[in-house]
Amino acid sequence: NAGVTQTPKFQVLKTGQSMTLQCAQDMNHEYMSWYRQDPGMGLRLIHYSVGAGITDQGEVPNGYNVSRSTTEDFPLRLLSAAPSQTSVYFCASSRGSAETQYFGPGTRLLVL
Amino acid sequence: GENVEQHPSTLSVQEGDSAVIKCTYSDSASNYFPWYKQELGKRPQLIIDIRSNVGEKKDQRIAVTLNKTAKHFSLHITETQPEDSAVYFCAATQLWEYGNKLVFGAGTILRVKS
Repeated sequence: NAGVTQTPKFQVLKTGQSMTLQCAQDMNHEYMSWYRQDPGMGLRLIHYSVGAGITDQGEVPNGYNVSRSTTEDFPLRLLSAAPSQTSVYFCASSRGSAETQYFGPGTRLLVL
Repeated sequence: GENVEQHPSTLSVQEGDSAVIKCTYSDSASNYFPWYKQELGKRPQLIIDIRSNVGEKKDQRIAVTLNKTAKHFSLHITETQPEDSAVYFCAATQLWEYGNKLVFGAGTILRVKS
């Protein structure tokens, strides 16, 4: 099992560019989430999904879109990158909503 | 919505001493309280969790206590070792339309001095 994988590991964008952060899991987990991690602010939930076709917003959803067409994949789209989106992004998956979350290795994003 | 506060933000202890990190939460409906450890440059990993029907849980040198009345829970690490140095995050569930979401505290940087 690869667990939770994320690509790319590191990305530099210019303000206004768009991109997709990829996340995949091979554990057949229904729940998947995207978090951003900023110094001194912990992990903040951006969007989450409870299964294919079902997504909902978290604490900080503005500027991000998600979709879940398969159980395995949960991509995060940045529509028009802004410097405030400079952060480390973690994808996570879990069997249930109150179960162990398994995190991916993270994507470090720098928006200039 | 749920608000999770974590203290202290940094903690330095001597190797062999105990470390205690405390979290408070606001949503009385919260029912699951995990703790994650994140080493430098790595992903967060679960180290212990507790559910609302339990007051204390232990796993070797790590223990978590929960006081539902006061809405706080704590992580206790005994006989600390240099490899315990990391950032620790607490979290609590918030019930939303499709189930529970996790709300994380801001984290505690633990330094174990040898």
